Amino acid sequence: GAVVSQHPSRVICKSGTSVKIECRSLDFQATTMFWYRQFPKQSLMLMATSNEGSKATYEQGVEKDKFLINHASLTLSTLTVTSAHPEDSSFYICSAGGSGKNIQYFGAGTRLSVL
Amino acid sequence: AQSVTQLDSQVPVFEEAPVELRCNYSSSVSVYLFWYVQYPNQGLQLLLKYLSGSTLVKGINGFEAEFNKSQTSFHLRKPSVHISDTAEYFCAVSPMNYGQNFVFGPGTRLSVLP
Repeated sequence: GAVVSQHPSRVICKSGTSVKIECRSLDFQATTMFWYRQFPKQSLMLMATSNEGSKATYEQGVEKDKFLINHASLTLSTLTVTSAHPEDSSFYICSAGGSGKNIQYFGAGTRLSVL
Repeated sequence: AQSVTQLDSQVPVFEEAPVELRCNYSSSVSVYLFWYVQYPNQGLQLLLKYLSGSTLVKGINGFEAEFNKSQTSFHLRKPSVHISDTAEYFCAVSPMNYGQNFVFGPGTRLSVLP
């Protein structure tokens, strides 16, 4: 199946710093990528939909200026958590839309811990 | 809008026993249905999907699921579980005509006991 690489797998940072997470589709082109957030023992919550070459579409309640999404190419989308605070600590997962019907391929996730 | 319910938050079962993880959904439009598995600190792996055709869908690792339109259910089953099946299982739906937006259920933690 299709492979989605997410990097880094884990990051620990100080409060106030910014963190960039990369999501790459390795063997296919993804015009659409998705960013999810998962709190402990909870399900995935869609944060935003990233479309190549255009602005991301954010879900209600997600701060656009805090979670910056860039989808500059068909194989790469990035999520930057700006001025991170402890409440931003979470598991972030990206997915890329395949050419099939509503199929999404998921990255391995990034564990963000803000001290 | 769509919603997904997974009635059991935790399911403990002994090794080699059968298991069923329940999933019900609500939607005003037709949907595609999916089951994903998540191992600790990892992303999601697709187990199986229902897009059309036969309502009994077979997936990887010996799992299968049956789509029941009248009951709006998509329960996941495995006749004999292994210790390695211990993981979190998510049911998800995607509306057929609205791109690739997914709505996930809350998840069911399957614990296989020796």
